Amino acid sequence: DTEVTQTPKHLVMGMTNKKSLKCEQHMGHRAMYWYKQKAKKPPELMFVYSYEKLSINESVPSRFSPECPNSSLLNLHLHALQPEDSALYLCASSHRPDGSVSYEQYFGPGTRLTVT
Amino acid sequence: AQKVTQAQTEISVVEKEDVTLDCVYETRDTTYYLFWYKQPPSGELVFLIRRNSFDEQNEISGRYSWNFQKSTSSFNFTITASQVVDSAVYFCALSGVTGGGNKLTFGTGTQLKVEL
Repeated sequence: DTEVTQTPKHLVMGMTNKKSLKCEQHMGHRAMYWYKQKAKKPPELMFVYSYEKLSINESVPSRFSPECPNSSLLNLHLHALQPEDSALYLCASSHRPDGSVSYEQYFGPGTRLTVT
Repeated sequence: AQKVTQAQTEISVVEKEDVTLDCVYETRDTTYYLFWYKQPPSGELVFLIRRNSFDEQNEISGRYSWNFQKSTSSFNFTITASQVVDSAVYFCALSGVTGGGNKLTFGTGTQLKVEL
C-alpha cells in the first residue's frame, strides 16, 4: 500500500483563524515532508521530519508550525496566515535516506488552502 | 547547487502520438538520483521512476520509457501511443545523497495535453 492520506481536502480560513492540516501514512516510512505548491509552479519544500524529529526547515515563517506526534502522523498547524499563503499543501513520505541512497517520496492528494 | 531544467512548458499531442518530455540537470555530486513524477488535475504527485547516477540503463514500463544519458546530463521521458489519461503536469526532479539527501530539486514541469 503506497498511500498517503491528507485531511481536509479543502480548507478556507480567515487570517485570524487557527487550523491544522493532517497527514498519515502506514508504509513504515521514517521520513515525512511538507510541501507548498502554488498554481503552475513546482512543489516547494517546507519541512522534513526524520525519525519524528525536525531535520530540515526551509526558513518557513513561524505562522506555520509542524508537528510529528508519531511515525505515521504529520501535522501542520496554521495561525495568522496571509492571503499569499493560499496554495496546495502536499504531504509526502519516504524511507529515510541513509547517506548513500535517496528514496522516492510518495505524496498525498494535498489540501487546497484558501486564506481570506 | 543543483538545478533541473524542463524547457518544454506545454506540449499538445493527438492521442496515439508518441511524445518525449525533456529533462536536463546540473549537479556537482557524483552520486545522485533522478525522478519523474506525474501530477494530474486532481493534484496528487504520482511517482513514476527513480534512477541513480550509476545506472545508465534505459528503462521501459509499458508505454513509458526513460533515457538517461550522463554525457549530456539528461533524463528524458517518452510516452508511446499517448492517451487522454496521460494529460498531466510532469515533473523531473533531482536529489543528492549528502546532507540534503531528503531534498528534491524539481524542474518547472511540463504540461502535457493529449487530445482526441
